[in-house]
Amino acid sequence: AQSVTQPDIHITVSEGASLELRCNYSYGATPYLFWYVQSPGQGLQLLLKYFSGDTLVQGIKGFEAEFKRSQSSFNLRKPSVHWSDAAEYFCAVGGLNSGGYQKVTFGTGTKLQVIP
Amino acid sequence: SQTIHQWPATLVQPVGSPLSLECTVEGTSNPNLYWYRQAAGRGLQLLFYSVGIGQISSEVPQNLSASRPQDRQFILSSKKLLLSDSGFYLCAWTRLAGDEQFFGPGTRLTVL
Repeated sequence: AQSVTQPDIHITVSEGASLELRCNYSYGATPYLFWYVQSPGQGLQLLLKYFSGDTLVQGIKGFEAEFKRSQSSFNLRKPSVHWSDAAEYFCAVGGLNSGGYQKVTFGTGTKLQVIP
Repeated sequence: SQTIHQWPATLVQPVGSPLSLECTVEGTSNPNLYWYRQAAGRGLQLLFYSVGIGQISSEVPQNLSASRPQDRQFILSSKKLLLSDSGFYLCAWTRLAGDEQFFGPGTRLTVL
């Protein structure tokens, strides 16, 4: 069964500092990997996704993530955090099940707090 | 462009009352549709998915049901709400298997 672990429930960083959010997954084949961001009371917005190819993926808002198969990880990074990045971040792994549809499993999320 | 709507945005219901949450997608056809529930600190739990009209699959046994009466309409229902049904309900769609999911704005349900 596929699963996602986000070990950090809450992270606080200073504005302008670098950021790395951790994500480890379990999946039997090459996974589809996603990072979503959620502002309070809102739906989720896709930051970036990995399906195949270059293991360093660029996303919106200056985010990037690197797929490391040997570590089963897909960590999200940003060189310089802005106050508007404060939100909850979800890592997700997807794949086709026997019914042919995309089953996506989400992590429990990491809440990012940005301090001035 | 495609948009996804959910209503109501918030709902407060007594225990034992019925529930109907609606999700509609515009600007696409034959989407895969999903219902998720989000509880604090527990991420997103997939409740139902649908690959076509009248085709519903349930991921977890529960007090809820789903229906897809039209191609771009997905409804989440309950005959009798439980306290444990409280949460933030999100609808999502994908164009193709393996593609990114597009989420609606969500419905905050409080059962008292």
